[in-house]
Amino acid sequence: GAVVSQHPSRVICKSGTSVKIECRSLDFQATTMFWYRQFPKQSLMLMATSNEGSKATYEQGVEKDKFLINHASLTLSTLTVTSAHPEDSSFYICSATGTDLLRVNSPLHFGNGTRLTVT
Amino acid sequence: AQTVTQSQPEMSVQEAETVTLSCTYDTSESDYYLFWYKQPPSRQMILVIRQEAYKQQNATENRFSVNFQKAAKSFSLKISDSQLGDAAMYFCAYCGSAGTASKLTFGTGTRLQVTL
Repeated sequence: GAVVSQHPSRVICKSGTSVKIECRSLDFQATTMFWYRQFPKQSLMLMATSNEGSKATYEQGVEKDKFLINHASLTLSTLTVTSAHPEDSSFYICSATGTDLLRVNSPLHFGNGTRLTVT
Repeated sequence: AQTVTQSQPEMSVQEAETVTLSCTYDTSESDYYLFWYKQPPSRQMILVIRQEAYKQQNATENRFSVNFQKAAKSFSLKISDSQLGDAAMYFCAYCGSAGTASKLTFGTGTRLQVTL
């Protein structure tokens, strides 16, 4: 089945620094990737949708200058948390769908997530 | 906007018994898809079962089945013969028609405990 790899799985950074999270589709072309954020014991909240080669579409309330998303190729999307603060600490998870998974009844494929801790 | 509601924050079931998790949703669309995802402590999102709204027949995957009531906008998950490995967070999710490109809206989740 389709596999999505997310890296790193855990990262600890100091306040004020930037952190990049990668999401890769390993065996399919991911034309669309989604970035979610999950607080402890809460649901997944969609942050943004990225389509290969175009600017990401951010959900209301998500700062686009804070969470930079790049989807430059059909197999890679990155989320950069800029000038991280402790309140950015969270679990970030990506998902992907592609040209060979156009039918919605083929489920999204999720990465394993990244636990970000900002000290 | 579509919303998904899971009214049971926590549920408990004894091993080998049956449990039903509730989910309701709100939408103005007629064509859509519904999913149940399982999230164990590893945080991996695992697809449990999916239902296409145009299908009247309830989806079934081994021990997992759904009760899809389109008019009532209800989509409950039944787990039969519960196993210890079923313990996890369960999320109900909604996806609109193909034009929304697989954008999922999740419910708040139900934590399922399985006891001996």
